[in-house]
Amino acid sequence: QKEVEQDPGPLSVPEGAIVSLNCTYSNSAFQYFMWYRQYSRKGPELLMYTYSSGNKEDGRFTAQVDKSSKYISLFIRDSQPSDSATYLCAMKRAGTALIFGKGTTLSVSS
Amino acid sequence: EPEVTQTPSHQVTQMGQEVILRCVPISNHLYFYWYRQILGQKVEFLVSFYNNEISEKSEIFDDQFSVERPDGSNFTLKIRSTKLEDSAMYFCASSVVLNRREELFFGEGSRLTVL
Repeated sequence: QKEVEQDPGPLSVPEGAIVSLNCTYSNSAFQYFMWYRQYSRKGPELLMYTYSSGNKEDGRFTAQVDKSSKYISLFIRDSQPSDSATYLCAMKRAGTALIFGKGTTLSVSS
Repeated sequence: EPEVTQTPSHQVTQMGQEVILRCVPISNHLYFYWYRQILGQKVEFLVSFYNNEISEKSEIFDDQFSVERPDGSNFTLKIRSTKLEDSAMYFCASSVVLNRREELFFGEGSRLTVL
């Protein structure tokens, strides 16, 4: 079983839709959970950072962590064409390297 | 806003040649990383560097790879004898830990093409 699993998509939605992106993981020692956004041929950019189970909201973005199910989600409300990118989940234990999921490619059409 | 800068943006090399990829991390950061992303695949960890030594490396980071911080600003990744399968985007990242939170900032990447 892979450490971090993420459905690569692609996912296509109309402008204004709510988007749900998900990752599962197998290592219960992961403590820190992140979502990165990556535009084509660019470096990953941090969107959300959480370290506890529950929800964290930042503008149109909500990150959700369920440690008991080893499942994390990113919700995007009122999606915009500028949200079109690849979204990478990432997680780590303290003092170790960040491990990425494969990324989900999102396309928001106007 | 401070950023991680990488050079070159694209390098084409012949198989067997040595390549050095350069990174200038954010100035007050203490942890440095190299990741790579083969086209269509996930971002993979290569190596982390702290206090002038490797703190962690993946199985990808074999004897063909080395890292160095030759001065106070640069962080380099050297591939001694490139193989076709080394073709990828290489990302440098740097971080600082504040209140148990470590945020990695990534550069724009260096695309390596091995022919």
